[in-house]
Amino acid sequence: KQEVTQIPAALSVPEGENLVLNCSFTDSAIYNLQWFRQDPGKGLTSLLLIQSSQREQTSGRLNASLDKSSGRSTLYIAASQPGDSATYLCAVRPNYGGSQGNLIFGKGTKLSVKP
Amino acid sequence: ETGVTQTPRHLVMGMTNKKSLKCEQHLGHNAMYWYKQSAKKPLELMFVYNFKEQTENNSVPSRFSPECPNSSHLFLHLHTLQPEDSALYLCASSQRRDRIEKLFFGSGTQLSVL
Repeated sequence: KQEVTQIPAALSVPEGENLVLNCSFTDSAIYNLQWFRQDPGKGLTSLLLIQSSQREQTSGRLNASLDKSSGRSTLYIAASQPGDSATYLCAVRPNYGGSQGNLIFGKGTKLSVKP
Repeated sequence: ETGVTQTPRHLVMGMTNKKSLKCEQHLGHNAMYWYKQSAKKPLELMFVYNFKEQTENNSVPSRFSPECPNSSHLFLHLHTLQPEDSALYLCASSQRRDRIEKLFFGSGTQLSVL
């Protein structure tokens, strides 16, 4: 059974720091992995999607990497800003012998960037 | 604005009430989803609709009843809920269930059951 774990559960950093959020998954048979951002009491916004054949994706100050064989992904945020404060969720889409499974989410990392 | 709109944003109801949550998407998508987000737990998929047909029900209690009258609208009818059903209920959509790339989420309905 696929399980997604995100460490740490919470992180507080001063403005301007570069930081890394971690995501691990137990089964390497995946179609893709997505990182989402969720602001308090709001829905999820997709940040980056990495296909299983890819190693990384970049968008602005965000860079996500994927090491499928080891079951790990990282989200790197450069030059963090207070506006980056949110919960970041990782989700994998399982590959069930060629069929796409539903997204399986981690519990998220709550990031706080202090001015 | 993601193109997925949920109403109401907040809802407080007693255990004997009947209420409905509404979701509408303006993205031309054909698949819609209901998720439940409880504190300290990962998002839980509840129901999936593809081209108006329910394709998945993840062992959700019958006090939750979904309805999808067309590809743009999704409802979640609630009756005789329990306090443990208090959570953020999120609606999402995608182009198709079998060719999913990105999910687009609404802002959710924060439900409190007293």
